[in-house]
Amino acid sequence: DIQMTQSPSSLSASVGDRVTITCRASQSISSYLNWYQQKPGEAPKLLIYAASSLQSGVPSRFSGSGSGTDFTLTISSLQPEDFATYYCQQSYNTPLTFGGGTQVEIK
Amino acid sequence: EVQLVESGGGLVQPGGSLRLSCAASGFTFSSYAMSWVRQAPGKGLEWVSTISGRGGTTYYADSVKGRLTISRDNSKNTLYLQMNSLRAEDTAVYHCAKSVTRDILTGYYHDYWGQGTLVTVSS
Repeated sequence: DIQMTQSPSSLSASVGDRVTITCRASQSISSYLNWYQQKPGEAPKLLIYAASSLQSGVPSRFSGSGSGTDFTLTISSLQPEDFATYYCQQSYNTPLTFGGGTQVEIK
Repeated sequence: EVQLVESGGGLVQPGGSLRLSCAASGFTFSSYAMSWVRQAPGKGLEWVSTISGRGGTTYYADSVKGRLTISRDNSKNTLYLQMNSLRAEDTAVYHCAKSVTRDILTGYYHDYWGQGTLVTVSS
């Protein structure tokens, strides 16, 4: 199975900050990497697919980059509604695997 | 508007059975693969199973293989998860999720998710 490692596991940031979350795969997954946002008690929401493609309706302050084994999710200017947990997930092969999550908290 | 509504969760004893349902609306159900993804209390997301749009292809996580069975009824726009021989470690919120392709292809991902239904396995 492909292991997905996210860092950090949590971070504290202020509104307006630039936030970067990294995700590393245990083997090359090309660009088959997706990012999801989840708020407590809610369903996960797709933000980025294929490493860098922005899902329709997602604000442009979210961006993704990377290929192979190393990927990054960036929030250019953190907004109050962005405080949530973020997960990366590989779709290179089955079983689909997720990173452990990054909880973004208010500083 | 795409809607996915799960039901069927509840409290069940170890070794027991449960059947989850996911009612889909707002899209052509048979045109998309569907998945179940679970989340244990306070934990991260874990993929459970995926079924192709026509139902002919299924995949399972090793942790559930032989105990959980995914199926779909395209005439009813409903996805199912039959859960047998349940264990304490199956306790989780189970989300259904819509794929972006009919077949299970490299790179497939999920663009819509339901809020989930809680399954608790305990004596």
